[in-house]
Amino acid sequence: AQRVTQPEKLLSVFKGAPVELKCNYSYSGSPELFWYVQYSRQRLQLLLRHISRESIKGFTADLNKGETSFHLKKPFAQEEDSAMYYCALENTGGFKTIFGAGTRLFVKA
Amino acid sequence: GAGVSQSPSNKVTEKGKDVELRCDPISGHTALYWYRQRLGQGLEFLIYFQGNSAPDKSGLPSDRFSAERTGESVSTLTIQRTQQEDSAVYLCASSFSPGATSEQFFGPGTRLTVL
Repeated sequence: AQRVTQPEKLLSVFKGAPVELKCNYSYSGSPELFWYVQYSRQRLQLLLRHISRESIKGFTADLNKGETSFHLKKPFAQEEDSAMYYCALENTGGFKTIFGAGTRLFVKA
Repeated sequence: GAGVSQSPSNKVTEKGKDVELRCDPISGHTALYWYRQRLGQGLEFLIYFQGNSAPDKSGLPSDRFSAERTGESVSTLTIQRTQQEDSAVYLCASSFSPGATSEQFFGPGTRLTVL
């Protein structure tokens, strides 16, 4: 079964500390993976996607097929990074996007 | 330009009533998606449209749920004989084309409460 697991519901770090939001997936093929973010009172929006190999707002995510993980990392967290983060996968050749339950990141001053 | 819009923003209804939720995608976006988000949970894929066609309806939770899209634009999600477990935020998203290469843009959602 296709599944995305985000083991942490809440992650709290101090400003300037490194942050890692964990994401593990279950999929038999080669999925496309994404991170979405929802800031307070804003819409859900795409943060980054695996196929683009991009770094957005200092965040990066590396696909580890052996561990079936796609963890989101940032070396120095900022207060404005506080938000809800969702990991998602899209099945190759289809257009069904499966989301994890989300992790709320709280960056303390 | 305008983003994805949804109406109503909030809907309170009584168990057993029918509700219609509307989504206006970004102009020119051929793909449109509906998701459901229950409290404290992730987004649950319901259905997507390519143009006016919905190739995969398997995500709809029951036969009380239906969706249509007309003019490759507006989409309506209808829930018949609502139940309390239908209470959730219903999100709509659109993208220029379906698939991972095209970013999905989300609407603000409709919060449905079934009493």
